[in-house]
This record gives sequence, structure tokens and C-alpha cells, in this order.
Amino acid sequence: GAVVSQHPSRVICKSGTSVKIECRSLDFQATTMFWYRQFPKQSLMLMATSNEGSKATYEQGVEKDKFLINHASLTLSTLTVTSAHPEDSSFYICSARERTSGGFSSYNEQFFGPGTRLTVL
Amino acid sequence: AQSVAQPEDQVNVAEGNPLTVKCTYSVSGNPYLFWYVQYPNRGLQFLLKYITGDNLVKGSYGFEAEFNKSQTSFHLKKPSALVSDSALYFCAVRGLDNFNKFYFGSGTKLNVKP
Repeated sequence: GAVVSQHPSRVICKSGTSVKIECRSLDFQATTMFWYRQFPKQSLMLMATSNEGSKATYEQGVEKDKFLINHASLTLSTLTVTSAHPEDSSFYICSARERTSGGFSSYNEQFFGPGTRLTVL
Repeated sequence: AQSVAQPEDQVNVAEGNPLTVKCTYSVSGNPYLFWYVQYPNRGLQFLLKYITGDNLVKGSYGFEAEFNKSQTSFHLKKPSALVSDSALYFCAVRGLDNFNKFYFGSGTKLNVKP
């Protein structure tokens, strides 16, 4: 259980185009999902927290208009990189916390997707 | 504020030998600590967590971690390393101000040589 998928696994696009990345929780409901960015040989940086049915919460320094997040259902969150530029090239990883019957438990770990490698030419 | 530090960028160990990947934390309250492993071009996989209780936590793939409050450490250990354990390991602490937020260490690359 607790499987998170991402699509696509890798994408190459031209500068100026927009790219959408999907994150799905396959066997559980995830009212909250997270989007991270990871540069080569570096740790994960939280970009935003995606809440189902409401606006995402962005971390300081992350451009809201650049990285559009939509959490339309309990199992799907999308990240759209708008007008992508080469400096947006990175590994994007989503994660989700499983909601238990009693609500969110602070004990719950995050389950991570396999990541999406974005390359902007 | 809360943070974790992984002092070693890389750890090299021979197959069959015990391994330790170090992590220290800085948290003003009781820490909720996690270890994750990442294989190349893959997302993170959960290994184990410490919430409360026994200081020695057992996790996936034969890994365990020891919580040491006096030394503010949460080192990852395995009695006998496998070549397949070679990967990037991240220590993380849950945020106190925002329990949704995880703070990750910089990662330690583990190389297990046959």
C-alpha cells in the first residue's frame, strides 16, 4: 500500500513552453501532497504544500505564478511549470501523507513518488 | 527552528561489514525523525522513523537507527552491508511549527564495494 506515482517520469521541452507533472496516490486518499525540487547531488527543497480543494501553500522564494499547483481530487495533484527556462531543469518529486481514519497523524511518514526529470532546452 | 545535519557526503564500506550513516538533529522539542533512501533517478523510499519509545528503531531492508537524546543523534546502521545498499540516504525531521513539513539533511552517498 501507500504507493505514489508520477507522470511523466522524464520530459524534455523547449524554453518558453509549459509542462504539467501529475502526482497520484494510487491506493490511499491524500488530502495533502507536497512538491519538492532536487538539484543534482543536493537535498530536497520543499516548494509547496498542495491541499485538496484549496490553494497551495508556497515556500518562501517559490514563484506562485511560475509553479502552478492544482489539487483537484483526493488522489491527484498537478504541478505546471509555466514558461519553462533552462534554470527550471531539475528533478521534481511529489509526496503525500496518508490520511488515517482518525485524521492526520503527526506520526505518519510521507510517501514519495518516483520523481520527474525535467530538462528545458 | 528544526534541522538535521548529515556530516558525511559519502561513506564507503566493504560488503559484509557493518555500516553507519550519521545524522544529528536540532529541535527545540521532541523530535520526529525519519530515514529515507533514494536510488538513482528515483523518489525517496521510507526506511524507518522514530516517534517515541525504544531508542533502537528497526526498519526496512535490515536497517535500524539509534536515537540518542544526549548526543542529539539518529544514526542509521546495518550489521552487514550489501552492494545493493549503495544509494543516497536522507535523514529528516518533522517540523514543529508545521507538522506537514519535513526538513531533510543534505544526504549521504553510501558506497558498498564487493
